[in-house]
Amino acid sequence: DVKVTQSSRYLVKRTGEKVFLECVQDMDHENMFWYRQDPGLGLRLIYFSYDVKMKEKGDIPEGYSVSREKKERFSLILESASTNQTSMYLCASSLTGGAGTEAFFGQGTRLTVV
Amino acid sequence: EDQVTQSPEALRLQEGESSSLNCSYTVSGLRGLFWYRQDPGKGPEFLFTLYSAGEEKEKERLKATLTKKESFLHITAPKPEDSATYLCAVVPHRAGTALIFGKGTTLSVSS
Repeated sequence: DVKVTQSSRYLVKRTGEKVFLECVQDMDHENMFWYRQDPGLGLRLIYFSYDVKMKEKGDIPEGYSVSREKKERFSLILESASTNQTSMYLCASSLTGGAGTEAFFGQGTRLTVV
Repeated sequence: EDQVTQSPEALRLQEGESSSLNCSYTVSGLRGLFWYRQDPGKGPEFLFTLYSAGEEKEKERLKATLTKKESFLHITAPKPEDSATYLCAVVPHRAGTALIFGKGTTLSVSS
């Protein structure tokens, strides 16, 4: 089974802190994604990566950056955390092309910025 | 603009009362449509992938169907453990695109 693991289930950070959210997948997937999920807004794409060292902005990249140095690991960085970044963060991975392009998600990180 | 709309937002059913959830989409060429189940505080769990109009997939009490403009998730004789939020997502054909999600339907099944 595909496994996507996020480093923390819950995090509490202070305004202005630099925050790192880590995600690891074990199925050699090319694509990895970071979404945030907020009530009434659904899942919104922050960034995605289709290869090592490659990244694409999603719908809401402001205030975030990403890093993908190895195929299995995709990190989301909040450069200076703000209260409006309090949210559920979800990492996912998928294969490229053909059948089986469904994405598999991690368990989520509930981030609270105070 | 690619868009996914799910209806209803919330659905309450009695145990055994069958119903359907709708996912309508507009996309510039559909690579695939996906259904997920999400329990509170957890990540979405993959259910089905549909690739072409007329395709159907089944899993226990769930059946997903696809037309050129929408997909339905049919729930037959639901049980309380089917209570969850069901998410629909599409991936367009153009390269370098991620899943585009609807806002979900929250299903509550009471005994």
